[in-house]
Amino acid sequence: DAGITQSPRHKVTETGTPVTLRCHQTENHRYMYWYRQDPGHGLRLIHYSYGVKDTDKGEVSDGYSVSRSKTEDFLLTLESATSSQTSVYFCAISEDGGEETQYFGPGTRLLVL
Amino acid sequence: AQSVTQPDIHITVSEGASLELRCNYSYGATPYLFWYVQSPGQGLQLLLKYFSGDTLVQGIKGFEAEFKRSQSSFNLRKPSVHWSDAAEYFCAVGARRGGADGLTFGKGTHLIIQP
Repeated sequence: DAGITQSPRHKVTETGTPVTLRCHQTENHRYMYWYRQDPGHGLRLIHYSYGVKDTDKGEVSDGYSVSRSKTEDFLLTLESATSSQTSVYFCAISEDGGEETQYFGPGTRLLVL
Repeated sequence: AQSVTQPDIHITVSEGASLELRCNYSYGATPYLFWYVQSPGQGLQLLLKYFSGDTLVQGIKGFEAEFKRSQSSFNLRKPSVHWSDAAEYFCAVGARRGGADGLTFGKGTHLIIQP
């Protein structure tokens, strides 16, 4: 299994509070991604990173920000959580160049009350 | 923008029977296609991928998929399912080689295995 960890694995928070989710990799892969998974929607891309300090928006980026100050860490921040952001969040990584396949972390289950 | 359609939300198959899960994509250029499987409460595991070359690709756990450009399809097959195959299956398409800009996923097909 690819060396990807996500923390926390579960979180309950209240509407309006800031939340930061962390993805950590030990593979030294260049690309990192954040997806959210919701019933009936599959997985949707929130943001991705193609290097340290290099990030871009995905399909559902509103309400989320990201940061990548080190190759191994990719942070997802909900500045002011809303109930619509209750979801399961997955981090993924892929290698730089060649046949890049995305490998997924175990997920973080977030409940916003 | 690319899109993926998995027409079947749920499929029920008897153990030992054959399986085919459908996937149709929409993308203007050469697609890069993937099938992932997700067991309950788990992350996603890559079953197989198609980038180029032979249109019939083999994956793990006895799965295979066939890329048909004329039908914009990438259907997943297995000749004989096992109870452990019960899971959620996702088809995905990448816009660049390996999906470096992220993958677009279908909504998934929930596979139920009957004894």
